[in-house]
Amino acid sequence: QVQLVQSGAEVKKPGASVKVSCKASGYTFTSNDITWVRQASGQGLEWVGGMNPNSGNADYAQRFQGRVTMTRNTSISTAYMELSRLRSEDTAVYYCARVRHGSFGLYYYYGMDVWGQGTTVTVSS
Amino acid sequence: SSELTQDPAVSVALGQTVRITCQGDSLRIYYASWYQQKPGQTPVLVIYGKNNRPSGIPDRFSGSSSGDTASLTITGAQAEDEADYYCNSRDISVKYVVFGGGTKLTVL
Repeated sequence: QVQLVQSGAEVKKPGASVKVSCKASGYTFTSNDITWVRQASGQGLEWVGGMNPNSGNADYAQRFQGRVTMTRNTSISTAYMELSRLRSEDTAVYYCARVRHGSFGLYYYYGMDVWGQGTTVTVSS
Repeated sequence: SSELTQDPAVSVALGQTVRITCQGDSLRIYYASWYQQKPGQTPVLVIYGKNNRPSGIPDRFSGSSSGDTASLTITGAQAEDEADYYCNSRDISVKYVVFGGGTKLTVL
């Protein structure tokens, strides 16, 4: 079945970097964008950025630009999100998700149809 | 980037119909996608596109859109529908992705 499996929980000190992986299976990895979303405890969903695994091109949310890098290794169907210069406010669950997008008539749509299990990143001194 | 606005909380009596709304400029060109998230669980896509349900999503969930507002309707709400619901789309620039703040649905 289609699934995304993420790497395990991380504990980092302020100023450090973290790299989370997301391994895809059950579909052609390069056929769908991969996006990353985070959720702090008790808070809503926040988009971090997304990547086209085929081209390697990525877009990042403005508030993370300069701190986040998204890459992939197509030979092992794995996407990566690296966040640097960590601060306590980055403590959250980070999800990867497969993107489904297209158009119906004059409208577009953009959705995330398969989600990884989430990776808890804790930033603490 | 543009924003999507949702009511923080909505309640519905068991078996009744409830509508959860999402408002934003991007919804004039994008259908909203809707996600259900139960405590401690991963979000689940329930509606995407004009009114499409992924496999396994009950047909009591439906989506609609008018102008800058999208709606998720649950017809005959069940106890297991109690959850947080989020809408999302790309923003008006088409470069970024935005989420609504989420609506906590309580089934009475």
